[in-house]
Amino acid sequence: DQQVKQNSPSLSVQEGRISILNCDYTNSMFDYFLWYKKYPAEGPTFLISISSIKDKNEDGRFTVFLNKSAKHLSLHIVPSQPGDSAVYFCAASAGGSNNNDMRFGAGTRLTVKP
Amino acid sequence: EAQVTQNPRYLITVTGKKLTVTCSQNMNHEYMSWYRQDPGLGLRQIYYSMNVEVTDKGDVPEGYKVSRKEKRNFPLILESPSPNQTSLYFCASSNTGGDGYTFGSGTRLTVV
Repeated sequence: DQQVKQNSPSLSVQEGRISILNCDYTNSMFDYFLWYKKYPAEGPTFLISISSIKDKNEDGRFTVFLNKSAKHLSLHIVPSQPGDSAVYFCAASAGGSNNNDMRFGAGTRLTVKP
Repeated sequence: EAQVTQNPRYLITVTGKKLTVTCSQNMNHEYMSWYRQDPGLGLRQIYYSMNVEVTDKGDVPEGYKVSRKEKRNFPLILESPSPNQTSLYFCASSNTGGDGYTFGSGTRLTVV
């Protein structure tokens, strides 16, 4: 039973446009959410996170939005760059940012075309 | 350089032949974990360790063993590998929680 779902296996956007990656979760106990980015032949690396006390967190070109009532979060990348092409994993945990027990989604492969 | 090192990167083995995938971190992290990545299923936790001599099952522990005799090392042991354990495996370590995770580069295992 996947508690974190990324229903779009792939997404393709043009360079300079916005990329929107979506993630849904089922466990209402989740209160900390993260996005990880993974390039081929490398391990995932942390990108951005958000606590359930917020509905938005921004870091440069990356913004994560959280809609707790809908159990939905999204990652916006503006403007998208070819170097953003990677697999993006959504993850969630219960018990705050210090809880190491995370659940991951299946990932979305983003391709940014020059 | 702070890192998590997994070996080997690639491994092809036969059913039933015991194997060990090593994982070592140089950041003095207390928490270490093993994940497997499969298409459509994302990263699923196999085992984790909160500290030396403390290990616990994740979501998919069947067919795997781990040990944590030293803080820096967390090997993954497959006593009798089967084809359904063909996967991409990642080791990770952390002190501070989810955004402090450092992942290794992965081990692609094929069991024939």
